[in-house]
Amino acid sequence: QVQLVESGGGVVQPGRSLRLSCAASGITFSNNGMHWVRQAPGKGLEWVAVIWHDGSNKYYADSVKGRFTISRDNAKDTLYLQMNSLRTEDTAVYYCARVMGSYFDLWGRGTLVTVSS
Amino acid sequence: DIQMTQSPSSVSASVGDRVTITCRASQDISSWLAWYQQKPGKAPKVLIYAASNLQSGVPSRFSGSGSGTDFTLTISRLEPEDFATYYCQQGNSFPYTFGQGTKLE
Repeated sequence: QVQLVESGGGVVQPGRSLRLSCAASGITFSNNGMHWVRQAPGKGLEWVAVIWHDGSNKYYADSVKGRFTISRDNAKDTLYLQMNSLRTEDTAVYYCARVMGSYFDLWGRGTLVTVSS
Repeated sequence: DIQMTQSPSSVSASVGDRVTITCRASQDISSWLAWYQQKPGKAPKVLIYAASNLQSGVPSRFSGSGSGTDFTLTISRLEPEDFATYYCQQGNSFPYTFGQGTKLE
């Protein structure tokens, strides 16, 4: 079954850390770049980060640069997002998505991260 | 960063209507544009990629056009399941950016 499944979300205090995972199945995970996209409650979509298929390149949105780190383990078919120094404005549903060229053709169901004291 | 501006922000329509949503990029993005549909509590779903290519499995009532800075998504005859929020996304350069969304109600 072709799917991406995120996990690791939850409630965390400002300034703390959280690591999200995205497990892929039914696809050749190592063939494609992978992205994280987030959506704050009631808001639009915001691109967060990308990692090349082989992990050789990574890019981040300015809003998370220096705080978030994207990584992947192709042997485990898993994508990660390490989130440090979390802020209340990081509260969102976080989606992992596979990129096909320049668009996202496969999305996970999302995991909710709530940053609150 | 490339800004993506969608209009309208919301549109009221009825089953059977023809609906057009526009997306304008702040600079030339060639045809590096995709359209997504999102329903409440669900992940987005790609409808159109490379400005005018219909994603496999998407009904042919959806179509996209444009290049450069101006793009449109057209739904030729609305079906009940089409009431959702639609986003455009540019894939010309990082950071990838989305339009603010158009709610079809």
